[in-house]
Amino acid sequence: GQNIDQPTEMTATEGAIVQINCTYQTSGFNGLFWYQQHAGEAPTFLSYNVLDGLEEKGRFSSFLSRSKGYSYLLLKELQMKDSASYLCAVTDSNYQLIWGAGTKLIIKP
Amino acid sequence: SQTIHQWPATLVQPVGSPLSLECTVEGTSNPNLYWYRQAAGRGLQLLFYSVGIGQISSEVPQNLSASRPQDRQFILSSKKLLLSDSGFYLCAWSVLAGGYNEQFFGPGTRLTVL
Repeated sequence: GQNIDQPTEMTATEGAIVQINCTYQTSGFNGLFWYQQHAGEAPTFLSYNVLDGLEEKGRFSSFLSRSKGYSYLLLKELQMKDSASYLCAVTDSNYQLIWGAGTKLIIKP
Repeated sequence: SQTIHQWPATLVQPVGSPLSLECTVEGTSNPNLYWYRQAAGRGLQLLFYSVGIGQISSEVPQNLSASRPQDRQFILSSKKLLLSDSGFYLCAWSVLAGGYNEQFFGPGTRLTVL
């Protein structure tokens, strides 16, 4: 079967750095997405990785290792508005998105 | 630019009543369309997806159905709602290009079945 694992919840301090991990086992791989979802709102796109390595976009970076079936999202200089759920999703061999259950990130002052 | 609309934003319905949620997309042609449900504090559950008019794939057997009467219109329906149908319903669209299929979500409908 297809499986994506993320921690259920993480807590971090304002101004700090946090890394959210995602491991996956899917039938094929055609890219990995990270989405941000604030409570009661729709998910919004954060990043996309299809090749191994690090993609940086401002305070957010995403890393991919296809051989290890592993990705992480790195958030720097945390702000209170970063409190949200972060969803990892993998595009499989049929170009369907397989979603993780999401990681709820709590930022404390 | 592309936009996606969903309505209503919130809905409270009694058990056994019918349901119709509508989603429309503007600014793109022949999109893939998706209906998801999200229970409180949980991940996204894919309910239906469509690659074209009249083409519906069901991912989870249940008392819900979907229809795509027009290229950019996707409707989620039920004849008789159950308590377990409560949740946050999200419509999304994508256009597969070179293997890239970012999904864009509508604002969602929060359904409470009492």
